[in-house]
Amino acid sequence: GAVVSQHPSWVICKSGTSVKIECRSLDFQATTMFWYRQFPKQSLMLMATSNEGSKATYEQGVEKDKFLINHASLTLSTLTVTSAHPEDSSFYICSARQGGSKNIQYFGAGTRLSVL
Amino acid sequence: RKEVEQDPGPFNVPEGATVAFNCTYSNSASQSFFWYRQDCRKEPKLLMSVYSSGNEDGRFTAQLNRASQYISLLIRDSKLSDSATYLCVVILPSGSARQLTFGSGTQLTVLP
Repeated sequence: GAVVSQHPSWVICKSGTSVKIECRSLDFQATTMFWYRQFPKQSLMLMATSNEGSKATYEQGVEKDKFLINHASLTLSTLTVTSAHPEDSSFYICSARQGGSKNIQYFGAGTRLSVL
Repeated sequence: RKEVEQDPGPFNVPEGATVAFNCTYSNSASQSFFWYRQDCRKEPKLLMSVYSSGNEDGRFTAQLNRASQYISLLIRDSKLSDSATYLCVVILPSGSARQLTFGSGTQLTVLP
């Protein structure tokens, strides 16, 4: 079964609205979570690294004020796309790393965002 | 130059065929290597790790050549269910974050 739950799986919104995406690690605590974006026929691009209890680290070119990340607990990180525009339409995928000896990174099922 | 490069394909092969994918990476200090599989509109899933000694998992064989900075994936006796996009993934030496860097993927379609 899934070890990382991502919700919602699909969202359609009007331009200018904000959308929140949740990423939960199931059965394990994730001190680090990652947010990726994937446009059609392109690779996953890391947007930011989310650390529990501290500010997220954003990749170059990713606007932190537009993509708000909150990693409030060891099992939950949220990504809020603020004032969404059609160019923000994409497939957003979260990932959580299980630390310790396993150090495996698990992916959520992704959220398909369509901004009209 | 991209950090991880793959032939995008598409590769269209008949059922039962053997197919090989290649991937090159630019940073010689890269630490770990993986092949992921991504089905259409789904999240990527780990297929296998790649080791210098080469490793095999059933019909799948992965090879790493550090000198050439080259990774390969061989699929034998391909099945219809193997149709997917195969992503070459590298962990770059970026401190403690151990971030995955994805290639753009190679699309495989296995035909009946």
